[in-house]
Amino acid sequence: GDSVTQMEGPVTLSEEAFLTINCTYTATGYPSLFWYVQYPGEGLQLLLKATKADDKGSNKGFEATYRKETTSFHLEKGSVQVSDSAVYFCALRGYSSASKIIFGSGTRLSIRP
Amino acid sequence: EPEVTQTPSHQVTQMGQEVILRCVPISNHLYFYWYRQILGQKVEFLVSFYNNEISEKSEIFDDQFSVERPDGSNFTLKIRSTKLEDSAMYFCASSGGQGAGETQYFGPGTRLLVL
Repeated sequence: GDSVTQMEGPVTLSEEAFLTINCTYTATGYPSLFWYVQYPGEGLQLLLKATKADDKGSNKGFEATYRKETTSFHLEKGSVQVSDSAVYFCALRGYSSASKIIFGSGTRLSIRP
Repeated sequence: EPEVTQTPSHQVTQMGQEVILRCVPISNHLYFYWYRQILGQKVEFLVSFYNNEISEKSEIFDDQFSVERPDGSNFTLKIRSTKLEDSAMYFCASSGGQGAGETQYFGPGTRLLVL
């Protein structure tokens, strides 16, 4: 079945460092891909999404490109801030199910001042 | 900005008791979902609901679980006889459609602890 694998955390970086969180997926057809973020004590918020190959989703300085050839959707940010500390979830919504989102295990990111 | 709300934020219950978790989806949305996240584990899909009926459910969503839209605004998840392993964060979500790129908007969650 469809699945998402993302890099294990926790990831700890200094402020202004470059961030990459790796995400790969397994799915039939052409899924839509998402990054959700969960700030401490809050729910899941959509960070960005891409619905077809080579699409780039972007928001709040974060970017991810839908790479069908490598089945990847890595999250990047050029200069992280303390306020980016959160748990980041890569996710997909496949064609086999119009309903459910399948999440990765989440990556906890901590940014040091 | 419209948002999904959930009540209560925390609930503690005894094993075997019934619990009802409540959600108010975004007002013009038609598709509703429940997910759960056991501490330290992945967020898992439980059920989707459209037009007053379940459209898809996971293996987790057994006979102990039920969902209902009792009025025009609330969407509830009932667990009839809670087990210890039902302890988790439960997220409600809603979307305006079910196209591949449709965004599901999540509520802040209800943390359920079964003792």
